[in-house]
Amino acid sequence: NAGVTQTPKFRVLKTGQSMTLLCAQDMNHEYMYWYRQDPGMGLRLIHYSVGEGTTAKGEVPDGYNVSRLKKQNFLLGLESAAPSQTSVYFCASRSLGGSQPQHFGDGTRLSIL
Amino acid sequence: AQKVTQAQTEISVVEKEDVTLDCVYETRDTTYYLFWYKQPPSGELVFLIRRNSFDEQNEISGRYSWNFQKSTSSFNFTITASQVVDSAVYFCALIGNFNKFYFGSGTKLNVKP
Repeated sequence: NAGVTQTPKFRVLKTGQSMTLLCAQDMNHEYMYWYRQDPGMGLRLIHYSVGEGTTAKGEVPDGYNVSRLKKQNFLLGLESAAPSQTSVYFCASRSLGGSQPQHFGDGTRLSIL
Repeated sequence: AQKVTQAQTEISVVEKEDVTLDCVYETRDTTYYLFWYKQPPSGELVFLIRRNSFDEQNEISGRYSWNFQKSTSSFNFTITASQVVDSAVYFCALIGNFNKFYFGSGTKLNVKP
């Protein structure tokens, strides 16, 4: 069972470069989320999606864009990477219903030099 | 506004000691759900338990127990007879009427042999 798969697992970028993080889930979940995790700050929501073709801003959306063209995929883009975006990024998905927990990917460690 | 506070940044105990991790939340929603997640040193996020706002029964699962008290807006997590494998960062999270999760900043638990 793959669950939630994040690609890539590690990446080093130079300031100003762009890249896309891919999240894929095989559980037919409606909701998908992108978080960043920084030391001492827990998980902060960047963007989320409540269904195919829909996206919404979270707590820290600036500098990121997302797309959900297919239900199973949620892409996170950095158009012009900045050192402040150095972080561990987690994708999560969950099914309908407030009681449903999130299922997380293993994370992407991104360093911006 | 939704907020989750985990005031204990880091706790160190010796194996076999009992330890309680505190979680205090704020919400104006009448229906909400609380969750605990574990993040071991390997980095993945593991779902432990959920509790809805209408169910104040304590829950016990092996060495783990959870105490939910609406009167004090707390959802505390106790590990009995701690083991080295319990060493991890533990996150408390809240979801209310909307589809966003709010995470606390996490408590790092160190269990020493």
